Amino acid sequence: EPEVTQTPSHQVTQMGQEVILRCVPISNHLYFYWYRQILGQKVEFLVSFYNNEISEKSEIFDDQFSVERPDGSNFTLKIRSTKLEDSAMYFCASSQGQLTNYGYTFGSGTRLTVV
Amino acid sequence: AQTVTQSQPEMSVQEAETVTLSCTYDTSENNYYLFWYKQPPSRQMILVIRQEAYKQQNATENRFSVNFQKAAKSFSLKISDSQLGDTAMYFCAFMKPYFGNEKLTFGTGTRLTIIP
Repeated sequence: EPEVTQTPSHQVTQMGQEVILRCVPISNHLYFYWYRQILGQKVEFLVSFYNNEISEKSEIFDDQFSVERPDGSNFTLKIRSTKLEDSAMYFCASSQGQLTNYGYTFGSGTRLTVV
Repeated sequence: AQTVTQSQPEMSVQEAETVTLSCTYDTSENNYYLFWYKQPPSRQMILVIRQEAYKQQNATENRFSVNFQKAAKSFSLKISDSQLGDTAMYFCAFMKPYFGNEKLTFGTGTRLTIIP
């Protein structure tokens, strides 16, 4: 069964450093997403991406965050200058769009720890 | 904006028993989708079941079924013959699909423990 692949599984970074979280969505999916889950809390939407541009972003997704799909396969989330409160699990997801066959799949997540 | 409420932070039940997890939501939309996701200790997000709002029939997937009450905006999950592997966080989620965007709005989750 096709999977959404996220790397790395765990990343530790110093406060103020830039991090890039990587995702390889399912190949025939058109819609891409990032979600965040602070430990013990609910899963929160960060951003959706379609046709090489952001469809919607949440209040969390401020100027420190950016996304891109540089080569047609990878989908990355960059945090420019990490803060302690950015420590969380980050999930990438992709979907086929229009829920025709419901292909909405989450990756296994990247645990980001900011120290 | 849509909101999803799960009023049971934790639940526990004996193995083989039936348990029902509650979820309510608030929306002014008429066409939408509702989901239950399971998150085991590995923290992977696993789809359990989904319901289309336009369908009156409640969705079922093996031991999992929902009670969808559209007028009451209620979407509960029933797990029959519970198994130890059902121990996990369960999240209820709402989606209003738009062209180019099918984001999910999650509830705060219910931690379910199955007791041997």
